[in-house]
Amino acid sequence: QSVLTQPPSVSAAPGQKVTISCSGSSSNIGINYVSWYQQLPGTAPKLLIYDNNKRPSGIPDRFSGSKSGTSATLDITGLQTGDEADYHCKTRDSSLSAVVFGGGTKLTVL
Amino acid sequence: QVQLVQSGAEVKEPGASVKVSCKASGYTFTAYYIYWVRQAPGQGLEYMGRINPNGGGTDYAQKFQGRVTITRDTSISTAYMELSRLRSDDTAVYYCARMWPKGNFYFDKWGQGSLVIVSS
Repeated sequence: QSVLTQPPSVSAAPGQKVTISCSGSSSNIGINYVSWYQQLPGTAPKLLIYDNNKRPSGIPDRFSGSKSGTSATLDITGLQTGDEADYHCKTRDSSLSAVVFGGGTKLTVL
Repeated sequence: QVQLVQSGAEVKEPGASVKVSCKASGYTFTAYYIYWVRQAPGQGLEYMGRINPNGGGTDYAQKFQGRVTITRDTSISTAYMELSRLRSDDTAVYYCARMWPKGNFYFDKWGQGSLVIVSS
């Protein structure tokens, strides 16, 4: 079982918006920064969002992140078929003194 | 450009050990921590441990304590992850990733992954 909770799957039509949630606790998301990773089929994860809401160079502004309390959210607008991937949230758990991940969410663009 | 290039796929028998390498290039190897994360088939990502190449200090996830050893060779900018007493449920893709220690625990570059199959 993952420390962080994500929905197993989400889906939406091209051009629409989707939201992926990541729920944690006071010892992880509540006090640490969250990052998000995109994993296209058969490839390694890639940094998508860091420090809760910052985008690395080259990541389009269709991707945005936010955090409130013990939950974080990844929003993707203007969905494209190329966005079909698994999305993982990650943070640090201060009680475990370890990096923790969500179980990953598979995005399907219908 | 920054690259982390991992060693190739391995097939091991139960009870054996496997050692996966991660060669860094395009940056100062000792300036970033190297983390190891694995992903079993159809599953999420799982933290295993990390090393500070500047000094060699390590930290291991409790689940893998006693079975995993992470080392580095700064002369060739390479980190290693050795997992012993392999079981069938260790079958997974193993990734290395780098993290800037003064940042907020995000991995800005990943290796391509190394598939390890444990089977008799």
